[in-house]
Amino acid sequence: QQQVKQSPQSLIVQKGGISIINCAYENTAFDYFPWYQQFPGKGPALLIAIRPDVSEKKEGRFTISFNKSAKQFSLHIMDSQPGDSATYFCAARKVFNKFYFGSGTKLNVKP
Amino acid sequence: ETGVTQSPTHLIKTRGQQVTLRCSSQSGHNTVSWYQQALGQGPQFIFQYYREEENGRGNFPPRFSGLQFPNYSSELNVNALELDDSALYLCASSTQGQETQYFGPGTRLLVL
Repeated sequence: QQQVKQSPQSLIVQKGGISIINCAYENTAFDYFPWYQQFPGKGPALLIAIRPDVSEKKEGRFTISFNKSAKQFSLHIMDSQPGDSATYFCAARKVFNKFYFGSGTKLNVKP
Repeated sequence: ETGVTQSPTHLIKTRGQQVTLRCSSQSGHNTVSWYQQALGQGPQFIFQYYREEENGRGNFPPRFSGLQFPNYSSELNVNALELDDSALYLCASSTQGQETQYFGPGTRLLVL
């Protein structure tokens, strides 16, 4: 079964707007939550990551919000740009770097 | 760009055949993980190799097997190919004990 559930499946945002992607998990053994960005024909690239003892992490225009009690975390992309158009995956890690990925969100930022 | 390389980039096989995919890990990394990414889906963990031994496995049948070599490069072997094995196969390298993993560009396998 899907260990990490991601929504929405696709997202259209105007340039300069805020893109928000949500993920939820059930397994409390997960201890590290990264977000990956994937362009067509490329492998996923690490964007930003958070540990469950932190509620928010910001790097440039990208912010992760983490709600441990609700078992949810989200990615916010501020001032979205056409170059941000890609597929985004959330993931969660168990021991030995075994990662479970969400199903992906295809983001389209309109100029 | 990461230092993880994979070969070949594309491959076409027929049902029942066997395939070997290769991955060179980033310099200094001793752990390689393999993932299967079906079209429109997220990557699914196949297995991980550390110090030339399998170190964790996902829900994949035994016909998916692997190797890691002393230089930390790795192979993924799939026997008795099925149509559903058509996917992008990704390898990711990391250092044991550290969370960050770096993905290669993947090998796209098509099974006819």
